[in-house]
This record gives sequence, structure tokens and C-alpha cells, in this order.
Amino acid sequence: DARVTQTPRHKVTEMGQEVTMRCQPILGHNTVFWYRQTMMQGLELLAYFRNRAPLDDSGMPKDRFSAEMPDATLATLKIQPSEPRDSAVYFCASGSQGFGANVLTFGAGSRLTVL
Amino acid sequence: DAKTTQPPSMDCAEGRAANLPCNHSTISGNEYVYWYRQIHSQGPQYIIHGLKNNETNEMASLIITEDRKSSTLILPHATLRDTAVYYCIVRAYPRSGGYQKVTFGTGTKLQVIP
Repeated sequence: DARVTQTPRHKVTEMGQEVTMRCQPILGHNTVFWYRQTMMQGLELLAYFRNRAPLDDSGMPKDRFSAEMPDATLATLKIQPSEPRDSAVYFCASGSQGFGANVLTFGAGSRLTVL
Repeated sequence: DAKTTQPPSMDCAEGRAANLPCNHSTISGNEYVYWYRQIHSQGPQYIIHGLKNNETNEMASLIITEDRKSSTLILPHATLRDTAVYYCIVRAYPRSGGYQKVTFGTGTKLQVIP
């Protein structure tokens, strides 16, 4: 089965450090979503890309978070500087256009702990 | 976007059918009903979607009422591995060249009991 691959699976870092999470979407998918999940907030949409272009990042704290797609096989989510409140599981999902647009395939997530 | 309402939790005996309801009384004519589930510590997984006809696949069946204001996801023979949070989402296909967010509510936590 085609999969969305996320790295790292787990990351423990200290406050103030830069964190980079990576996502390899399914080959041929042209939409990529970044979500964050915490117990308190549930699944929050952070950013959305289509054809590598960021279309919506309104859910993302702009001062410390940035999302990019340097090429069609890689999406990145960076936090600089990280804070304890950023501790969460970050999911990447990809989808196709047209009728498949709302059928997303999620990665296994990156669990981030900021001390 | 049409808002969905789901019960926060449900129990189901193993081997029995699990019927998960979703209310979407403000659904528009071009909006589909999608179901996802999230097993603990995993990413959400797509299950099924439909517009107005009942749908079935290898995972589940989706029953949509004639007025489309509510739907039910049916897991015909629930197993312990079906214990998860189930999300009901209502979305339209994006227009050509358009886009849309896919956002998740709080879902229904289904506990399958041995």
C-alpha cells in the first residue's frame, strides 16, 4: 500500500531549539496537509499545500512555525524556537485532486516533546 | 461548511454491529459525508464516503437518510481492533482550481467490549 512517511517518529528537545519534521507524501498526490493533535485541542489543521504552493496556513503560529515543500516528494514543518506548548503529535496527510480531494492518507505522525 | 454532531462515546459488544450516528442537518446538496477513524496513537484513516445512496466497502457501510440530514456508519461485526475515535465530516468536492480545508471535529470514541 502507498504510504505517507513522516520523520522523525519521536523527538525530544529542549525549549528554544529548532525542530524540523519531514513528510514524504504519496507519489502522485498533489495536496499536503499538516495537522497537530493534542489532548486538549484535538486535530488542528496547521497548513495546506497544493502543487507545492501554500494555500492556507492560517492555523499555524506565524512567528515560530514555517511550512514548505521544496519538491513534490518532501514537505517540511519547522518550529524555531520551540516551546513546551508545542508538544504534540504532528500529522502529515496527502490527497489527490478532484474526486479524491477529501480522501486523505495520513502518516503515522511525529510525536514532539519540548522540555 | 455543514456542521456535524456526533455522540462523544459509544460502547459495542465484540461481534455485534456498531452503529455510529452523525447529524448534519445543514448539509448542502453538493456535500458528501466522509468517515474517518483514528486508532490510538495512529494517524486518521479514511473509511468511506457517500452523497445520498447507501455505500458499502470492505470496512463498513454508510447509510444516509433520504433527507440527507443524518447518516450512520455501520461496522457489521465489531472487533477489538475497531476501538477508535470515529470522525464524520461533510465536505463538497472542491471546484476546479479551488481548494478547501479538511477539518475534524471531536468524533465518537467507540469502545468495543470483549
